[in-house]
Amino acid sequence: EVQLVESGGGLVQPGGSLRLSCAASGFTFSSYEMNWVRQAPGKGLEWVSYISSSGSTIYYADSVKGRFTISRDNAKNSLYLQMNSLRAEDTAVYYCARGHYYDSSGYYYDYWGQGTLVTVSS
Amino acid sequence: DIQMTQSPSSLSASVGDRVTITCRASQSISSYLNWYQQKPGKAPKLLIYAASSLQSGVPSRFSGSGSGTDFTLTISSLQPEDFATYYCQQSYSSITFGQGTRLEIK
Repeated sequence: EVQLVESGGGLVQPGGSLRLSCAASGFTFSSYEMNWVRQAPGKGLEWVSYISSSGSTIYYADSVKGRFTISRDNAKNSLYLQMNSLRAEDTAVYYCARGHYYDSSGYYYDYWGQGTLVTVSS
Repeated sequence: DIQMTQSPSSLSASVGDRVTITCRASQSISSYLNWYQQKPGKAPKLLIYAASSLQSGVPSRFSGSGSGTDFTLTISSLQPEDFATYYCQQSYSSITFGQGTRLEIK
C-alpha cells in the first residue's frame, strides 16, 4: 500500500524557517517524481514544487522561488521542503504528492499524504 | 500562466441526481486536464486524468469529457459519498488548479 506521511509543520513567525519531511513507503520511491502542493485555509490547491526521481530536475512556483528548496533522499525514501523567509501568505496545509507522467505534457498526482499544517504568524 | 475557471463554485443536489461541473482553461490545453475529489480534512483523490480516462478504482458513475478549453466532469447518479469539493488541474503548461466546486446535499 502506498503511503506518504508528512511531518514538520507548526507555528512559525514571519521571516522564520521550517523544514517539512515526507516519508514514503509501499512503492519504489526512487522511480517517481515527487511534489509539494499546498492549500491555504478554506482555499483551493496550489502547486509549490516538483523534483524528478533522481533529483536532477527541480521546479518551483513563482510564489516560493528563492525562498523554498525541495530535495529528496532516495536511500531514506524521503522528500523534504526547506522553507525560509516565511510569510503570512505561506500559511497552508502542505501535501506531499506522488506525480506521474502519462504523456509528454500529461501529469497527475496519484497519491497524496494527509498533509501538515504550516502557520506563519506573530 | 494558464488560468482554470470552474463553474459553478457551489452546487446543491440530491442523491440520485445527474450532476455536471465545468472547467474552462484560459487557453487551449489539449486534453491535459485532470479531476480530483476532496472531502473535508482529507487529501485530494484523483478521479479522471487526460480529460476522460477513469483512474483505477474510481466508480464508473464518474466521467469526464472535453478538449481544448472546455471540460466537464459528470456524476451520473449522485451517491451520499460523492458530496465533496471537486478540482480540475491542467498540466499543459506548468500546473494550475481550478478554484474548486463544492457539491452539497440539497
